[in-house]
Amino acid sequence: DTGVSQDPRHKITKRGQNVTFRCDPISEHNRLYWYRQTLGQGPEFLTYFQNEAQLEKSRLLSDRFSAERPKGSFSTLEIQRTEQGDSAMYLCASSYGNEQFFGPGTRLTVL
Amino acid sequence: GESVGLHLPTLSVQEGDNSIINCAYSNSASDYFIWYKQESGKGPQFIIDIRSNMDKRQGQRVTVLLNKTVKHLSLQIAATQPGDSAVYFCAEGPGDNAGNMLTFGGGTRLMVKP
Repeated sequence: DTGVSQDPRHKITKRGQNVTFRCDPISEHNRLYWYRQTLGQGPEFLTYFQNEAQLEKSRLLSDRFSAERPKGSFSTLEIQRTEQGDSAMYLCASSYGNEQFFGPGTRLTVL
Repeated sequence: GESVGLHLPTLSVQEGDNSIINCAYSNSASDYFIWYKQESGKGPQFIIDIRSNMDKRQGQRVTVLLNKTVKHLSLQIAATQPGDSAVYFCAEGPGDNAGNMLTFGGGTRLMVKP
C-alpha cells in the first residue's frame, strides 16, 4: 500500500498524559499537513510542512501541540498534558501539487 | 471569519437517481475548490476539484459546478449507487504553490436507498 499511513489508529489516554502520533506520507510528496476532525465536523487545518520546514500553524495549535518533520519524510504530532477537549480524529495528508491525499487518521480519546 | 458551509446536513436518494450536494463559501479570494468523500472510520477521499477560472468540471459519474457570482459550489453524482453512501465535504483553498491549507465545510451525509 503506497498511501498515507498513520500510527496508531486509536489511542486512549488519561488527561494530563503526553501522546505522539506518526504520519508516513506518500514517498514523493514534499508537503505534509495535519488536520483535526471532531464528530460531525469537517477537518480543521492545524499545520503544514514543505519538506522539513514547518511553514504554517493554525491558531488552533496551542503551545501544548508540537509537530516535526525532521528529515522531510515522516512527521510526528505530539500533544502534551492532554485535555478532554483534545479528543478527536487527527488526520495527516500529503501532496505534491494541489491534491491532498489523506491517511486513515488517529482517533484520540482522552479520559 | 470566512468559512465554507453546506446547505443540507442529510440527503437521502433512491439508487439510480442523481444526487446534488450543495456548498456555499464566503472567501472570495479562494482559488481552488475540492469535494471529498469520507466513509466511516476512514480519512477523506478526493473526488474532484475545480479552479476558480472554471465553472464546470466533469469526472467519472461526478460533476462539480462553481458559481463565483453567488459563491456556490455543487457536486452532482449521476446514477447514485449504494457505495456512494458517505459524508461529503467541500473544501476551499488558496491553490497556490506556496501551500494549500484547506478550509472544510461541515459535511453532508448522503444515504442511498436500494
